[in-house]
Amino acid sequence: TQLLEQSPQFLSIQEGENLTVYCNSSSVFSSLQWYRQEPGEGPVLLVTVVTGGEVKKLKRLTFQFGDARKDSSLHITAAQPGDTGLYLCAGAPILQNYGQNFVFGPGTRLSVLP
Amino acid sequence: NAGVTQTPKFQVLKTGQSMTLQCAQDMNHEYMSWYRQDPGMGLRLIHYSVGAGITDQGEVPNGYNVSRSTTEDFPLRLLSAAPSQTSVYFCASSDRDRTYNEQFFGPGTRLTVL
Repeated sequence: TQLLEQSPQFLSIQEGENLTVYCNSSSVFSSLQWYRQEPGEGPVLLVTVVTGGEVKKLKRLTFQFGDARKDSSLHITAAQPGDTGLYLCAGAPILQNYGQNFVFGPGTRLSVLP
Repeated sequence: NAGVTQTPKFQVLKTGQSMTLQCAQDMNHEYMSWYRQDPGMGLRLIHYSVGAGITDQGEVPNGYNVSRSTTEDFPLRLLSAAPSQTSVYFCASSDRDRTYNEQFFGPGTRLTVL
């Protein structure tokens, strides 16, 4: 059983469409990060959210942290082919046995077709 | 700055062979970690280090050893390779003094164990 679940697992859309992907858990996190990974490369950090209910915007990307700090969403407006990649969420659990390490979800693989 | 570098990029081993995956960073980061990435599983923490001379186990440490003799280098050793260790391995580093610990990832090593 994974600590973090992401949905959908795969998403294929046309350029210009909007989309939302989700990151959910039954655990509480002190902070949550979103990464994007392109084929053959390592993940690259997009944003960190730390306050329940927090909303952050990065150009066409909007990130929200749930009020209870158990879930997060990533919304992309007017998707472009350059948004194609694997989107990973990573949370820092408050649970003692995780120390200060982050746990990763399985990812949402997004494909934006021109 | 080169950031986080990993060698080799690709490796094929036979069951029972040993090898070392190299990781180096030039950002003077104290924290370094090794992850493995498998389809549908996200990134799972193998071992991590909070500074030279200090290492600790992550979620999936069995079959792997690490050492941290310098701040820059954090090699991962496979003692006796098994097919279950076929995966993509990522090294990451972060500055623990920075808020919310952005991790910088290397490009990965794709390992196949026959």
